[in-house]
Amino acid sequence: AQSVTQLGSHVSVSEGALVLLRCNYSSSVPPYLFWYVQYPNQGLQLLLKYTSAATLVKGINGFEAEFKKSETSFHLTKPSAHMSDAAEYFCAVSKGYSTLTFGKGTMLLVSP
Amino acid sequence: ETGVTQTPRHLVMGMTNKKSLKCEQHLGHNAMYWYKQSAKKPLELMFVYNFKEQTENNSVPSRFSPECPNSSHLFLHLHTLQPEDSALYLCASSLRTATGGETQYFGPGTRLLVL
Repeated sequence: AQSVTQLGSHVSVSEGALVLLRCNYSSSVPPYLFWYVQYPNQGLQLLLKYTSAATLVKGINGFEAEFKKSETSFHLTKPSAHMSDAAEYFCAVSKGYSTLTFGKGTMLLVSP
Repeated sequence: ETGVTQTPRHLVMGMTNKKSLKCEQHLGHNAMYWYKQSAKKPLELMFVYNFKEQTENNSVPSRFSPECPNSSHLFLHLHTLQPEDSALYLCASSLRTATGGETQYFGPGTRLLVL
């Protein structure tokens, strides 16, 4: 069965600093990987997804993620944090079907 | 309306009440999902429907009863709930379930409080 581990339930950065949110997956077959963002009182919104094309995936709002098979990782990065990036971020994996297995989420806090 | 809508956005109910959550998608999708989001826990998939047929039930207690009358509408009927059922209930849709990599589009959720 596939699973997702997100390291750190909370990550704090200063505005303008690099954002790095970590995600490691476990899957017996090449996975499909997703990052979703959830703003307060809202549902989840897709940031980006990996579907076995380019290993470096660019998403919305300046975020990108790199699929590293050797490290079973799919970390999310953004070069310069903005106050509006403060939200909860979820990594998810699917294997052959659309059913997703989510990580526990990482809350990103951005300070001025 | 666009995307995935859910009503009501907030619901408070007693343990003996019966209520229903409604989800509607305006995306022309064929698959719909119910998720439960509790504090400190990963999103839990509850039910999956594909072309109105239930394809997955993740051992959800019978006090939760889903209904999918057509590909655009999904309901979650609630009865005799417990306080631990208090959570955010999210609905999602995707074009289909048969192919991996499909993006799921989420509604804003219904915040449920069971007293």
